Formats: sequence, structure tokens, C-alpha cells
Amino acid sequence: GAVVSQHPSRVICKSGTSVKIECRSLDFQATTMFWYRQFPKQSLMLMATSNEGSKATYEQGVEKDKFLINHASLTLSTLTVTSAHPEDSSFYICSARDDRGYGYTFGSGTRLTVV
Amino acid sequence: DQQVKQNSPSLSVQEGRISILNCDYTNSMFDYFLWYKKYPAEGPTFLISISSIKDKNEDGRFTVFLNKSAKHLSLHIVPSQPGDSAVYFCAASEQTSYDKVIFGPGTSLSVIP
Repeated sequence: GAVVSQHPSRVICKSGTSVKIECRSLDFQATTMFWYRQFPKQSLMLMATSNEGSKATYEQGVEKDKFLINHASLTLSTLTVTSAHPEDSSFYICSARDDRGYGYTFGSGTRLTVV
Repeated sequence: DQQVKQNSPSLSVQEGRISILNCDYTNSMFDYFLWYKKYPAEGPTFLISISSIKDKNEDGRFTVFLNKSAKHLSLHIVPSQPGDSAVYFCAASEQTSYDKVIFGPGTSLSVIP
């Protein structure tokens, strides 16, 4: 089946630094990937839609200068949390839409803790 | 405003019995619905989906029912097993645009042995 690899699974960083999270589709191409964020005991909140070769589309209330998304190839999208603050601590999950029309596959998520 | 709602944050069911998880949506443009299961610190895994042209889809122990006029869907798990204990997310998308999936807040299911 379709597999999406997301790294790192856990990261602890100091306040003010930047963190990059990778989302890679291993056995399929994904023109479109999605980035979600989950706060404790809350739903998955869509942050942005990442399209290969073009700018990401951000949901209302999500700071595009803070959450930089790059989708440079059909198998890789990255989310960079810039100048991280403790309130950015959360669980980030990516999802890739299979170009063959087989639906969405999620990565395993990244637990970000900003200290 | 939440477009996908799951009004029960938690549900406990005895092993072997039926689990029914409910979901309501407000956006009439949604025409494709999905259920995901999620364990702590992991990404969601796809369970079952249904298109708006159907009212029922079955896959093993999992059945999803869609009532389009009521904008309501439900996931039935029968028989429930302890391994089913997880958070279940209802999700919806517009298949024509197919550009994003909107999730409900989730229902935490506990199956008691």
C-alpha cells in the first residue's frame, strides 16, 4: 500500500530556532500534500495545502511566514517552523494525495516541543 | 464554525457489542466522507469511506451509513474489540475539488474487555 514517511518523529528545539519537518511519499507521486496540526485532545486542523511547483495555500489564521512550506518534487514536501515559540509545540501531521486517485495517506506525525 | 461535528467526545462499549460513532456536517458541498482511526502519537489511518451517491458502505466489521438529507453519517463497528480503542475522526471533502479534507474533533472509543 501507499506509504508516507514523515521525519523526524520527535524534536525538541530551543525557542527562537527553526525546525524542518519532512514528508515523503515512498511509492507514489503526490502533486498535493496537506499539513495538519493537532493540539492535545483536539481535532486535526488543516494548516495548508502544498502543491508541487507552486506556492502553498494557507488556511485562515495560519501565518505563512512562520510556517514555510516547500513542495519541490512530486514526492517531498517540507514544513519549516521558523522562530519557534513554546506555543508552537504541537503534533504536526502530513498527508499526501495519491496522484493515481487512491486517496490520502498520512505520515506518522512529528511531536514538536519548543523549550 | 465547525463544518464537521462529532458531538460525543468519548464512548465506552463492552467487547462484542456494537459501537456507533456519529458525525454531522454543515457544508452541503461535501460529497465524500471518510473515517480515520488514530492512536496517540501516530498519524491517522484510513478506515472506510463513502461517496454521497451511496447510503451505505461495508468493510468487514466496519459499516458507514450516510443520510444526506440529514447531513449525518455514522460508523458502526460490530463486534467491537479491545483493539478498536482509539480516537475516531470523521472527515469530509468536496470530491469535485478534492483539495482538502476537513476533520471533525474526534470521538475517543474505549472497548472494555
